[in-house]
Amino acid sequence: EAGVTQSPRYAVLQEGQAVSFWCDPISGHDTLYWYQQPRDQGPQLLVYFRDEAVIDNSQLPSDRFSAVRPKGTNSTLKIQSAKQGDTATYLCASSLNWASAETLYFGSGTRLTVL
Amino acid sequence: QQNVQQSPESLIVPEGARTSLNCTFSDSASQYFWWYRQHSGKAPKALMSIFSNGEKEEGRFTIHLNKASLHFSLHIRDSQPSDSALYLCAGGGSALGRLHFGAGTQLIVIP
Repeated sequence: EAGVTQSPRYAVLQEGQAVSFWCDPISGHDTLYWYQQPRDQGPQLLVYFRDEAVIDNSQLPSDRFSAVRPKGTNSTLKIQSAKQGDTATYLCASSLNWASAETLYFGSGTRLTVL
Repeated sequence: QQNVQQSPESLIVPEGARTSLNCTFSDSASQYFWWYRQHSGKAPKALMSIFSNGEKEEGRFTIHLNKASLHFSLHIRDSQPSDSALYLCAGGGSALGRLHFGAGTQLIVIP
């Protein structure tokens, strides 16, 4: 079974530049999550979807971050104007459904460095 | 808002040692508790979960949950160098799909 696929693997930007991250979840998983993991910290939830609907984006900095999952499969997370504080690994995860009892399957992440 | 605290931040143990990792959570309504393990540069991967008070053992790994004291722990028997990783505890409760992760404990097992 294919796992969660993310691209690109790495991104290096200057402050003010834009970047997009792409995620392909495990087939059949209706729930998709985007987490931000600063160096030496645990993952912090940014946004999650059930199918194409946003369930919770309260932790997403809405002035610069956006996330979509238009067909309920793949998802894109975009940062419009990156800041040095955005330097982190961005992890995508999927689960069979949105119950807290379900296992999260993570991708390998995109490591973002903002200079 | 769930607050998950892990201790210690880092731990170095010799091969063969028994290792204990601790987690405290703030939301007494939490129902689902997980340990995830993340090897360097890799994706976090679910290790074990428990959904009621008590103990659960799988191979060399044992987890304990005490909701009354808001405490959750992971114990590793006969620690191996391959156990070296970042261990993340996570709790989830009434909010469907919302797991809160701690900052992690970095474990290093010396051969």
